[in-house]
Amino acid sequence: EDKVVQSPLSLVVHEGDTVTLNCSYEVTNFRSLLWYKQEKKAPTFLFMLTSSGIEKKSGRLSSILDKKELSSILNITATQTGDSAIYLCAVEARDSGYALNFGKGTSLLVTP
Amino acid sequence: GAVVSQHPSRVICKSGTSVKIECRSLDFQATTMFWYRQFPKQSLMLMATSNEGSKATYEQGVEKDKFLINHASLTLSTLTVTSAHPEDSSFYICSAQNPLGGQYFGPGTRLTVT
Repeated sequence: EDKVVQSPLSLVVHEGDTVTLNCSYEVTNFRSLLWYKQEKKAPTFLFMLTSSGIEKKSGRLSSILDKKELSSILNITATQTGDSAIYLCAVEARDSGYALNFGKGTSLLVTP
Repeated sequence: GAVVSQHPSRVICKSGTSVKIECRSLDFQATTMFWYRQFPKQSLMLMATSNEGSKATYEQGVEKDKFLINHASLTLSTLTVTSAHPEDSSFYICSAQNPLGGQYFGPGTRLTVT
């Protein structure tokens, strides 16, 4: 059975800290790994990763995929209170018709 | 970025009635859309895959006669919760697969069945 595991499940940091969120997966016929940020409503897309070792960056957020270790990390530098959210990792398999298998998420709280 | 809309954003209905939720991809054509359900403090659970012009594919444990899905055009999929019960109260989220890559989510619909 395909599985996506995120860690930690929750995290509290101070503004300005750097955080690293982890996602590991066991998926047959891996196609891509996606990161989403979910605040009060539906998830918003952050990154899609398909190739190992290539860092994707958007402002203070960056992410990289390690296909050998079957994992990905999402880094947030100089955190702000607006970064407080649930960060979801999802994996897409080639034979899933683009359906996503989500991890349970990491709940991040950034305190002033 | 790609935009997906959902309507209504919030609905309250009485037990036994049916509710229709619409999901639209506004700036791309989506042959595939997905419907997810999210319980409080839990992750998204895939309910079904909606394919334009064909029958939806339901995940194990999801009643297809209760959750009717129609994907009549490349920009619209609908989910109808039939004969709703209080246990159907949940946050329903649709997503659309962009042919250029990535899956984009609608803002979600909060359904409360009284």
